[in-house]
Amino acid sequence: EAGVAQSPRYKIIEKRQSVAFWCNPISGHATLYWYQQILGQGPKLLIQFQNNGVVDDSQLPKDRFSAERLKGVDSTLKIQPAKLEDSAVYLCASSLGGIYEQFFGPGTRLTVL
Amino acid sequence: KQEVTQIPAALSVPEGENLVLNCSFTDSAIYNLQWFRQDPGKGLTSLLLIQSSQREQTSGRLNASLDKSSGRSTLYIAASQPGDSATYLCAVTFTGGGNKLTFGTGTQLKVEL
Repeated sequence: EAGVAQSPRYKIIEKRQSVAFWCNPISGHATLYWYQQILGQGPKLLIQFQNNGVVDDSQLPKDRFSAERLKGVDSTLKIQPAKLEDSAVYLCASSLGGIYEQFFGPGTRLTVL
Repeated sequence: KQEVTQIPAALSVPEGENLVLNCSFTDSAIYNLQWFRQDPGKGLTSLLLIQSSQREQTSGRLNASLDKSSGRSTLYIAASQPGDSATYLCAVTFTGGGNKLTFGTGTQLKVEL
């Protein structure tokens, strides 16, 4: 069974530029999560989708971050414009449902200069 | 506030030693608790998932225990090996928390030859 796929693996941008990350969850998984992991910290949930609807986006900085999940499968996370403090690893995870085990992708390491 | 804490932040042990990693959480109303492993530059690998009704789970040399009433979990690693070197993260799904994982900051383990 294929795991959660993410791209790109690494991205370096200048502050105020835009960036987008892509995630393809495990087939059949209804729930998709985006987490932000700052160096030395545990991951923090940014947004949770159930199929293509948003369940929780309470910690998403909506003035600069946006996310969508088209047709309840793939998802994109966008930052526009990026700030220095957005430098982090962005992890995508999926699960069969809300309280089932979550499976994580390899992450995208973003560096904002 | 629902929080997860891990102590120690870093641990170095000689090969072959048995060791215990600690995780504490502030609210006993949980669905489950999950232990993850994270290698440098990689995503999270799920090690063990303990449901709220369970006391422990075992996989190979790993044993995780859960004591909800005291808000604690331990991850026991038997006969440690250099390949066990990684960061170990504890994550809790609190009830009423929207089914998201709340992570600790991790314990960075180094097993030396």
